[in-house]
Amino acid sequence: KAGVTQTPRYLIKTRGQQVTLSCSPISGHRSVSWYQQTPGQGLQFLFEYFSETQRNKGNFPGRFSGRQFSNSRSEMNVSTLELGDSALYLCASSLNTNTEAFFGQGTRLTVV
Amino acid sequence: GQQLNQSPQSMFIQEGEDVSMNCTSSSIFNTWLWYKQDPGEGPVLLIALYKAGELTSNGRLTAQFGITRKDSFLNISASIPSDVGIYFCAGRSLTGRRALTFGSGTRLQVQP
Repeated sequence: KAGVTQTPRYLIKTRGQQVTLSCSPISGHRSVSWYQQTPGQGLQFLFEYFSETQRNKGNFPGRFSGRQFSNSRSEMNVSTLELGDSALYLCASSLNTNTEAFFGQGTRLTVV
Repeated sequence: GQQLNQSPQSMFIQEGEDVSMNCTSSSIFNTWLWYKQDPGEGPVLLIALYKAGELTSNGRLTAQFGITRKDSFLNISASIPSDVGIYFCAGRSLTGRRALTFGSGTRLQVQP
């Protein structure tokens, strides 16, 4: 069974640009969550999707958005990038919203 | 909001020693998860706990869900060099925002 796949693995963007990250969950999993990981703040919850609906949202500005498709694949978008958005963005896949979460390898975003 | 205190922040031990780390929460959780993260990779799920008092093992790893539902610990016995990494606890409650809340991590270094 394939694990959680995140693309791309690495990304370099310029301030002010926007970026879209992709996550393909484990087959059969319907819940996808996104996290931002930085050395200073640790793992911070961005949002969670289940059956194409956003179920939970963390305390991030509206520049951070996401969506989930009917095949459970998810994308997150960050608009008007800031230097502080540089981080490892992690996607986690769960069977549903209250079972264990399995992470992908992450997308390392660097904003210059 | 929910807060998770994980300790110790870091440990430097000799190969063969046992290790213990723990997490305490300001609120009740119904799920505790323990992860290990290697540099540049996503966290890997080690153990999942769903019931107060539950004690679960995975090889040399043992974790327990505290009776109060506000704490959990992870023990690693007979440590080996490949145990090096950052260990995170994560908890989920059934009330309020149900997303996983992560501890700040325990960095483990093992001296061969």
